[in-house]
Amino acid sequence: AQTVTQSQPEMSVQEAETVTLSCTYDTSESDYYLFWYKQPPSRQMILVIRQEAYKQQNATENRFSVNFQKAAKSFSLKISDSQLGDAAMYFCAYRSETNFGNEKLTFGTGTRLTIIP
Amino acid sequence: ETGVTQSPTHLIKTRGQQVTLRCSSQSGHNTVSWYQQALGQGPQFIFQYYREEENGRGNFPPRFSGLQFPNYSSELNVNALELDDSALYLCASSRWVGKNIQYFGAGTRLSVL
Repeated sequence: AQTVTQSQPEMSVQEAETVTLSCTYDTSESDYYLFWYKQPPSRQMILVIRQEAYKQQNATENRFSVNFQKAAKSFSLKISDSQLGDAAMYFCAYRSETNFGNEKLTFGTGTRLTIIP
Repeated sequence: ETGVTQSPTHLIKTRGQQVTLRCSSQSGHNTVSWYQQALGQGPQFIFQYYREEENGRGNFPPRFSGLQFPNYSSELNVNALELDDSALYLCASSRWVGKNIQYFGAGTRLSVL
């Protein structure tokens, strides 16, 4: 079974600075997807960024980028120019490559990010 | 906004009762997944429905059951509620094509007293 570990329960960063959230995972599969989701106090899980394991290039979405190290099974999220609206719980998630009946997401325990004005 | 809506927003039940939670999928999505998120934890996969049939299940007992309707909306039913069932229940919809992304609703907060 796959597992996802987020070792930082809480992180804080000054507004406009850069912060990196860590995630490691364990799997025996070679094809899979990794995600970062953001959950603000409104509770709705919002997709931040997605990485396909077969792609060597790290995914980027505006101020959000990942450092994907497949051999090390590491998937960190970097947030540049942090904004007050970035404050939320951030969850790292794993999903197998399409395997009929195995579409579930496996989540880590989350990192609470606080933005200091 | 993802277009996935869940009802009700909050619910209070007593131990032993039964509860039904509802989820309306985003337009064009034919797959619905349900997750349980206990306080301070990440979501745990309950099960998934595709074209009205259960398609994958997590480590949850049979008293957790579901339905998907022809319009792809879904229900989660929990019988014989236990105190540990208190959690946020999240619904996510997606299209059954390769590399699909799950879009989440805002969840239903269930409290079992």
